[in-house]
Amino acid sequence: QPVLTQSSSASASLGSSVKLTCTLSSGHSSYIIAWHQQQPGKAPRYLMKLEGSGSYNKESGVPDRFSGSSSGADRYLTISNLQFEDEADYYCETWDRNTYVIFGGGTKLTVL
Amino acid sequence: EVQLVQSGAEVKKPGESLKISCKVSGYSFTTSWIAWVRQMPGKGLEWMGMIHPADSDTRYSPSFQGQVTISADKSLRTAYLQWSSLKASDTAMYYCARRPNYYYSDCWGQGTLVTVSS
Repeated sequence: QPVLTQSSSASASLGSSVKLTCTLSSGHSSYIIAWHQQQPGKAPRYLMKLEGSGSYNKESGVPDRFSGSSSGADRYLTISNLQFEDEADYYCETWDRNTYVIFGGGTKLTVL
Repeated sequence: EVQLVQSGAEVKKPGESLKISCKVSGYSFTTSWIAWVRQMPGKGLEWMGMIHPADSDTRYSPSFQGQVTISADKSLRTAYLQWSSLKASDTAMYYCARRPNYYYSDCWGQGTLVTVSS
C-alpha cells in the first residue's frame, strides 16, 4: 500500500518562496495526489490535483503564487511571494484501489 | 457553489450514541463520493470511510471498520457518520469532504467537534 511522506515542518521568510515535498513510497511513483491547506483553527481547503507528469489543476480562487510539480516519486507544492496567511499545515492525499484514501502526515509551514 | 455544511458541535458521555451530518448543495448529490475524515487534537488527517450516495456503496478504513457507520439520504442530500457507543478516544474534529472521483477530495465541510467526556 502507498505511503505519503512529508517533512513535519518548514519555514521561510515573508516574500520568499518555499517548496514543500510529498514523497510516494516505492512502486507508487505514478500516483495522482492532491494538496490541501489547513490554516490554524480552520477546515482543510483543497488547493490542487497533481499528476506524476507534473501537470496540475488548481482549485478556482487559489492564488497564482501556488504551483505544483513532480519528479519521480516526489510531488511538490511551491508557494512564491510568501504571505503570512500562507502559514498553515499542508497535507498531501492519494488514493489506492486496495487501501483507498491515504493522507501524508502534514507539513507545518511557518512564515518568518 | 459547492457547499458541505456539517451539524454543530456535540458533547457526549462515554457509551452514548451519536449521529452527525453533512448536508451538501451546489451539485448533484449522487455524482460524488462523500468521505469522513477524523482529526484528533493537534494531529493530522485520518480517512475513516466514504459513501457513494447513488447506490450507498460504502468503503471503510480498516482502522474504523466496525467502529462507525456511514450512511446517506438522497432525498435530504445529506451524509451521516454515526457511533453506537462513544469512547473518550473519539474526541476529535470530524470533517466531511466531497470526492468527485476516486482520487482526491475537492471540497470540505467546516467540521464538527465531538467531545466525549464523563
